[in-house]
Amino acid sequence: QVQLEESGPGLVKPSQTLSLTCNVSGDSVRSASYFWNWIRQPAGKRLEWIGRIYSSGGTDYSPSFKSRVLISLDTSTNQFSLRLSSVTAADAAVYYCASGHIVTTGEAFAIWGRGTMVTVSS
Amino acid sequence: EIVMTQSPATLSVSPGEGATLSCRASQSVSSNLAWYQQKPGQAPRLLIYGASTRAAGIPPRFSGSGSGTEFTLSISSLQSEDFAFYYCQQYHNWPPAFTFGPGTKVDIK
Repeated sequence: QVQLEESGPGLVKPSQTLSLTCNVSGDSVRSASYFWNWIRQPAGKRLEWIGRIYSSGGTDYSPSFKSRVLISLDTSTNQFSLRLSSVTAADAAVYYCASGHIVTTGEAFAIWGRGTMVTVSS
Repeated sequence: EIVMTQSPATLSVSPGEGATLSCRASQSVSSNLAWYQQKPGQAPRLLIYGASTRAAGIPPRFSGSGSGTEFTLSISSLQSEDFAFYYCQQYHNWPPAFTFGPGTKVDIK
């Protein structure tokens, strides 16, 4: 069973780049059975889908983030990563990596990491 | 962007009673609709996908219905562990621009 775990700095300065990593266990990030997603939740607000990466390395990004986001895959470490540039206070949130088995649950997010809180402050 | 709305914002229910939560999409999402449960400090948990299919391990007291723009999550006989936030989410767009509703808080009456 796939498990996900986020890691990365909990504090980022305004205008800098937020970088997070999601460690995948239980299957390979090269498995075509999964999409690998990043989702965030600002305090007290709704969840926001940021984007996803396929096992092939192809990506889809939310239009809200497209100009400043990069999601990448590292098959050597079985991880995928998020980079969000030019952060502001509005980017403070709990960031989740999430996935699901395409055959069984389609594009719904059946598997979630615990989340990691990111604060934006100088 | 497809905008998701949910009602009510808060639903107060006594244990053992049933609850009905609504979700509306600004345009048709067919049956590409999921429901999640989230408790404070925890990640969301998938309850329903495909508008009406329960995810693995989800008890039968949770049921989903609807298609197009109107959806419902029903919880029969609420248990103490069911008091939480519930979010709907559409995954219909192409190219994908998945969006979530603002959530419904189900609390103890």
